[in-house]
Amino acid sequence: SSELTQDPAVSVALGQTVRITCQGDSLRSSSANWYQQKPGQAPLLVIYGKTNRPSGIPDRFSGSSSGTTASLTITGAQAEDEADYYCNSRDTSGDHRVVFGGGTKVTVL
Amino acid sequence: EVQLVESGGGLVQPGGSLRLSCTASGFTFSIHEMNWVRQAPGKGLEWVSYISSGGVTIYYADSVKGRFTISRDNAMNSLYLQINSLRAEDTAVYYCARDLGCTSTRCYVDAFDVWGQGTMVTVSS
Repeated sequence: SSELTQDPAVSVALGQTVRITCQGDSLRSSSANWYQQKPGQAPLLVIYGKTNRPSGIPDRFSGSSSGTTASLTITGAQAEDEADYYCNSRDTSGDHRVVFGGGTKVTVL
Repeated sequence: EVQLVESGGGLVQPGGSLRLSCTASGFTFSIHEMNWVRQAPGKGLEWVSYISSGGVTIYYADSVKGRFTISRDNAMNSLYLQINSLRAEDTAVYYCARDLGCTSTRCYVDAFDVWGQGTMVTVSS
């Protein structure tokens, strides 16, 4: 089955820009979605279909994709953006399976 | 308000069973595909199972196939997960999650746009 690889942790200074990446063969043919999860809370969808933002998600969150790498960019990171971020996509290796990346802990300094 | 509320978690011995429930409100449950996703303590998200809007098409992660059964009752706006032969590694928070599905312009795959608060399943003797 396919896997999605994320860096375990990144840090960003308040107000600066951070990019989180998600790598996997499935991303050649399947779109990435991104979720934010704060401690003790359920995940929150922040980007779907590579680049789309759900209603209510600030426009400082953006998504992009190229080849086998999807990216989530936070432009002008705020203290409230400190959280774990997960990507997911469809596993294209066989039956309907959904794969999640291992998650990236974003620390806002 | 669009909402999913899980229930049914608890402490169970290895080999035991539980039935998790997820009740939907604030949206037309019957038109949405649904999923269960779990998260072991301190770990990442793991997709568990999918069910189509009508309940006909079902898929499972390899790690739970043969032990877990997903089902739904659209008349009751409810999703279920029957979990049998529980193992220590099944200890996790179990979330139900709605598939975004199709907007007015296109359809999206595996974008989970509504999540419940989760129900904790602990497998221990």
